Order: sequence, then C-alpha cells, then structure tokens
Amino acid sequence: NAGVTQTPKFQVLKTGQSMTLQCAQDMNHEYMSWYRQDPGMGLRLIHYSVGAGITDQGEVPNGYNVSRSTTEDFPLRLLSAAPSQTSVYFCASSYSLAGGGRHYEQYFGPGTRLTVT
Amino acid sequence: EDKVVQSPLSLVVHEGDTVTLNCSYEVTNFRSLLWYKQEKKAPTFLFMLTSSGIEKKSGRLSSILDKKELFSILNITATQTGDSAVYLCAVSRDMRFGAGTRLTVKP
Repeated sequence: NAGVTQTPKFQVLKTGQSMTLQCAQDMNHEYMSWYRQDPGMGLRLIHYSVGAGITDQGEVPNGYNVSRSTTEDFPLRLLSAAPSQTSVYFCASSYSLAGGGRHYEQYFGPGTRLTVT
Repeated sequence: EDKVVQSPLSLVVHEGDTVTLNCSYEVTNFRSLLWYKQEKKAPTFLFMLTSSGIEKKSGRLSSILDKKELFSILNITATQTGDSAVYLCAVSRDMRFGAGTRLTVKP
C-alpha cells in the first residue's frame, strides 16, 4: 500500500494564479481531509469529506475548494493564490464509523510546501 | 470557540530524562483526543484517548486523559535522541490541533 500520496512536493505560485494540490489514498478510507500547517500554529483544518460526493468546510476554508468524486481522490483547489496561503499542506485519511472518521487516527500524506510570491 | 493549548511550547532535555507534555482543551461535543509525533514531515499517530483515567502505553510512551479537568498528558520515560520531534495534540469533534510541543533530546 502506498498509503496517502500528495503531489506536488513543492510549488511556487505567483499571486492570483490557481492550482490544484492532488491527494490520493489506497486504503479505502471514507474520511479525507486537508490541513495547512504554519509555523507555531499546529495544523488547521481546511475542508473534509466523509465520503464520495460529500464535502464540508473546516476551520479555514476561505480561498480553497474541494470535491470528492471517488473514494480514493480528494483534490484541493486554490482559486486565486495569495501570499497568506504560503504554507505546508497535508492531506489525511481515516476509516469512518458512521461518518465519524475525523474522530479517529488519521494517516497523513508527506505534505506539499507551497510558496506564493 | 474551541481551543486546544499545549505546554510547554518547547523543551530541551538530556537522554535518559523523563518528560511530561500537556494538552488542555475546551471543545464542545468532545469525542476523542489524539497524540501525534511529527519529525521532519507528516505527523504519525501515537495514541487515541476517549475515556478518562485509562492509561494508554506504547513502549516508553504513555498517555492519559482527564475529561473532568479537560486535559491530557503524554509521558516519555528514558528519552532518546530519536524522541526529538514536535508532539501534537488534537481534539475532536472537529480535530482541532494545538500548536505542538517541540522536544529536543540531547545526547
């Protein structure tokens, strides 16, 4: 099993550009999520999904879109990049018991380091 | 607003020392508290706690939850240089993370 994979590992964007961060998992997990990690701030939840076709906002959703068309994939779209979105982005997944996946152990991908200039 | 506070923010010890990391929280509809270890890249899971007073152990690491006083501790005994990492606490219902404790273990 590859676990949770993320691409790209590094990305530099100019302000106003858009891009998609890719996330895939091969563990058949229902629950998937996106976090951003900034220095001294731990991880903050951007969006999450409890299954294909179902997404919801987390703590810091502004400026990001997600969709979940398959169990395996959960891409994160930056609509118009801003310097405030410079961060390390982690995708995570977990098994879900009646939609409660966010309460359980999460498996994290290796992260994408994004810089917006 | 839900809040998770970890202390200390950083800690430097020598090999063989015992450390205690703290995580206090204020969240509505508490479901679980999880501890993760983050070295250079992605966090890796250590413990999940849902009930008060039941200690979870894994080798030299142990953790316990107090749902009345709203905190958890993570203990590491006989520390080794490989324990150097950021230790993250997360509390659900919405998996809110604390800022982490950076532990440095010197030889």
